[in-house]
Amino acid sequence: AQSVAQPEDQVNVAEGNPLTVKCTYSVSGNPYLFWYVQYPNRGLQFLLKYITGDNLVKGSYGFEAEFNKSQTSFHLKKPSALVSDSALYFCAVRDMRGNAGNMLTFGGGTRLMVKP
Amino acid sequence: EAQVTQNPRYLITVTGKKLTVTCSQNMNHEYMSWYRQDPGLGLRQIYYSMNVEVTDKGDVPEGYKVSRKEKRNFPLILESPSPNQTSLYFCASKSSSSGGLYEQYFGPGTRLTVT
Repeated sequence: AQSVAQPEDQVNVAEGNPLTVKCTYSVSGNPYLFWYVQYPNRGLQFLLKYITGDNLVKGSYGFEAEFNKSQTSFHLKKPSALVSDSALYFCAVRDMRGNAGNMLTFGGGTRLMVKP
Repeated sequence: EAQVTQNPRYLITVTGKKLTVTCSQNMNHEYMSWYRQDPGLGLRQIYYSMNVEVTDKGDVPEGYKVSRKEKRNFPLILESPSPNQTSLYFCASKSSSSGGLYEQYFGPGTRLTVT
């Protein structure tokens, strides 16, 4: 069965510093990987995805993620954090159970706090 | 504007009183699903629908029902809510494709409290 782990409940970073939010996964077959962000009192918003190709994926709001097949990781990164990046971040992997890959399995979420 | 809407956004109810949370999308998406979000557990899928009149259980379906009579709507029904169904609920939709290439679009969430 597929699974996603986000080992850090919270990540604290100072504004202007680089940030990394970690994600590891376990799937059979080729992984389709996604990052979503949830701002307070809002639904989840799509940030970026890895399907195939270049291991470095660029997404919305200056975020990027690096796919590492040997380490089964898909860490989210940003070179310079903004206070407005403070939010809850979810990593997800395509779930192939029963319905042609439309389902997602989510990690537990990581709260990113960017301090001024 | 492409969006997924949910109503109500907030609901406080009592044990056993039937309720329905509505979900509607305007993107002509085939696939719709319901999740619940609980601290530390991420999002867990309750039910999903591949198209009109096609629904199936997700990971945590107990105590919930759904229907898909129209493509745009996918209501979540709690016939007899219990306190352990207190949670934040999200509806999502996506264009179906073989292999799950496309991302899901999420509604704003419904915070349900069952006392």
